[in-house]
Amino acid sequence: QSVLTQPPSASGTPGQRVTISCSGSSSNIGSNYVYWYQQLPGSAPKIVIYRDNQRPSGVPDRFSGSKSGTSASLAISGLRSEDEADYYCAAWDDSLSGFDVFGTGTKVTVL
Amino acid sequence: EVQLVQSGAEVKKPGESLKISCKGYGYSFTTNWIGWVRQMPGKGLEWMGIMYPEDSVTKYSPSFQGQVTLSVDNSISTAYLLWSSLKASDSAMYYCVRALRDGSGTYIDNWGQGTLVTVSS
Repeated sequence: QSVLTQPPSASGTPGQRVTISCSGSSSNIGSNYVYWYQQLPGSAPKIVIYRDNQRPSGVPDRFSGSKSGTSASLAISGLRSEDEADYYCAAWDDSLSGFDVFGTGTKVTVL
Repeated sequence: EVQLVQSGAEVKKPGESLKISCKGYGYSFTTNWIGWVRQMPGKGLEWMGIMYPEDSVTKYSPSFQGQVTLSVDNSISTAYLLWSSLKASDSAMYYCVRALRDGSGTYIDNWGQGTLVTVSS
């Protein structure tokens, strides 16, 4: 069972902005970096945000990350059909001897 | 180009042992963390464990400690995930990953294609 909680689903129409939350605690999000992964249907995940708000090269600037206290968010602006995927947050958890946990995952649907 | 190439799908019976593999290409295998992530059918991602090949330092998720074993063969740049006695609940997709760890987080920058394990009598 994950210690990082995400809403099961989110949706929007093309062009809209969608935000996904990731709620944790002081032992994970509150004291360590947050990472976000996108998993397209039938594919292995790939990273879209690292260290709370950094975008790897090749990831569109429509994707942005933020963090406040023990919660983090991933925003997708200008939603496109190819953004329909599962999204997972992840963070190091100090209470697990420095091991990482994934969030519960959010399915983003483009209507 | 960095690549992680995993072994093929497996169908096993409960109680059998299994070892799946992940071969790294295009980077220094021994000086990068390599780990395993489980995804059960229709479910989310779960960290299983991670190893630093150069000195074999290994960390297991509490959920998987004692259930699986991670190992590497540095001579052939290959990581392994081992089960001594499979259960039906081990049926899942298993991804190997290359990860960068800096003391405050783990950045998975490469994923294998996944190995599907089916355990059924």
